[in-house]
Amino acid sequence: AQSVAQPEDQVNVAEGNPLTVKCTYSVSGNPYLFWYVQYPNRGLQFLLKYITGDNLVKGSYGFEAEFNKSQTSFHLKKPSALVSDSALYFCAVRDITYDYKLSFGAGTTVTVRA
Amino acid sequence: DGGITQSPKYLFRKEGQNVTLSCEQNLNHDAMYWYRQDPGQGLRLIYYSQIVNDFQKGDIAEGYSVSREKKESFPLTVTSAQKNPTAFYLCASSSRDKLFFGSGTQLSVL
Repeated sequence: AQSVAQPEDQVNVAEGNPLTVKCTYSVSGNPYLFWYVQYPNRGLQFLLKYITGDNLVKGSYGFEAEFNKSQTSFHLKKPSALVSDSALYFCAVRDITYDYKLSFGAGTTVTVRA
Repeated sequence: DGGITQSPKYLFRKEGQNVTLSCEQNLNHDAMYWYRQDPGQGLRLIYYSQIVNDFQKGDIAEGYSVSREKKESFPLTVTSAQKNPTAFYLCASSSRDKLFFGSGTQLSVL
């Protein structure tokens, strides 16, 4: 079985401060890991993915994520948050040992205040 | 334009009625997915299909059915057995593990 946990329902930060959204995962085999973002009244958009290689992955809009195998984590980070980063963020995992099943976490609402 | 088209945008179901949500893609993707989004519960996988004429149950398949007769189409039927169908339904297709989502269908019960 595979699963994703996003321990924080909400994250609030001031504009210009660092932003971190936490994600931990559980798979039987090897993981592919993803972050997606859902802006208000817009569809879900792909941010970044970890497949293999460098543990630090860079994605869209200045976001990055670090894969930590020992802690089974894949936290999303942005050095300096913008008000426009306010959205709902989802972490997702696929166990590549098996098939195309892609499981999402419950989501974290990020609010960046001016 | 290439993309995922879901219809209708809003759908109302009467008790005991089956309803079908449409999902069409012209991206030539092999894999397609159906997710249900409820507030506070994130995206939960209903069904997914890796190729034509093949599909697998996700985590919450009870009360739902799908078909994959064509590569472009992956319709979802919400049956009367689904007792709590009110939710936002998202269809997606994938290429190289990047999902492309449709704009969703909001299903409500009358």
